[in-house]
Parts: sequence; structure tokens; C-alpha cells
Amino acid sequence: GAGVSQSPRYKVAKRGQDVALRCDPISGHVSLFWYQQALGQGPEFLTYFQNEAQLDKSGLPSDRFFAERPEGSVSTLKIQRTQQEDSAVYLCASSLVRSQKEQFFGPGTRLTVL
Amino acid sequence: QKEVEQDPGPLSVPEGAIVSLNCTYSNSAFQYFMWYRQYSRKGPELLMYTYSSGNKEDGRFTAQVDKSSKYISLFIRDSQPSDSATYLCAMREDSNYQLIWGAGTKLIIKP
Repeated sequence: GAGVSQSPRYKVAKRGQDVALRCDPISGHVSLFWYQQALGQGPEFLTYFQNEAQLDKSGLPSDRFFAERPEGSVSTLKIQRTQQEDSAVYLCASSLVRSQKEQFFGPGTRLTVL
Repeated sequence: QKEVEQDPGPLSVPEGAIVSLNCTYSNSAFQYFMWYRQYSRKGPELLMYTYSSGNKEDGRFTAQVDKSSKYISLFIRDSQPSDSATYLCAMREDSNYQLIWGAGTKLIIKP
């Protein structure tokens, strides 16, 4: 069956450009999470959706980061005016319900800001 | 000091060896403890999951949680080259869905 997919897999942006990263969760999964994983580090929580509602955005590092999930399935993470420190792998995970023990991760989008 | 500490390695062992991976943590409210495996250029996948203290075994993998010492371990028996990956510990509180992650330990199993 289809897992979590993310696109693009790799993105190179010039500093100051806007980027949009897409996540397709497992069909029927209510909860969706975005994480940022810097090189050699564990994932850091960015934001959480339950269906279309963004219930927690406490991990977003600045107001340049914006996420949406308008129809409760596909989600987009947008980064405006990218900076070099935004370079990282952005992981999306989904789970059937919020309290489910397992989050299923996509392969991530590797963002490099030059 | 980070909430979850994990030695980044790399840890290199010969095929067939027993591997021990560990994390320490500072938040006594953590109740759910997970081990994820991450291959290069892939997302993490859940290996083991434990609630509160105790041991859990699944095939060649054993997870241990010692809440009194705030210390968790993952043991891999009869290690295989295909076990070569980064192993991440993650944990969370009972009422909080946010996972707090270790930095990951890179494991290399030499044939």
C-alpha cells in the first residue's frame, strides 16, 4: 500500500526565494506532523494538523514558515525568503489518530539554501 | 543540556555481534519510549515501542526502559550488515503527542 510521499525530494533555493514542500499522507490518516531534521540531528517538531485544523504550530522557527492542509489530506509547508539556516531535511509524518503510537514518515525533502 | 542525549557514534561492530544503543533523558514525565531506524535518505521507521518501564522483545531486538535512572536501551542480537543505519530514540509524555528525539547513533555492521 502507499505510504507517506513527499515532493520534491530535493530542492535547491537561492537565499531569499520562497519554497513550497508537499506531503501526501496515508489515506484516512487524521493526524499530520511536520518535522525539521538538521544534519546529524534528530527531527524537531514544527507543526501538527488534525484533519484541516492546525492545532499546534509552536515549533515553527519564524513567521517565514507557514503550513496548511486545507482539505484535511495533502499538506504544504511554505518557507518565505529562505535563509541558509533553513537548509535541512523536512519530514512529514501521519498517523491514524493523534494518540496512535506510530507515526509513519515520508522520505523527506532535502532543502539546500545557497 | 538537551532533554534527550544520545551518542552520535559512529558505532562499528562485526557481523554477528550484540549491539547496545542507549539514550538518557531528563524529563521524568516521559512515559512513551520509541526506537526508530533511519536509513540514509529515508524517513525514520518505528522499530520498538515501550510504555513506562520494563523490557520488550521483538525478534533480534530488545528494548529496555529504566525510569529510575532515566535511561533506555536497544539491544540488537546477531547483528547483520542490513542493520547498518542511524538509530534514533524518541519519547513523549502521556498527555503530549510531541515526540522529543535524540540525535541518533550511526551504526555500522561490518561483514
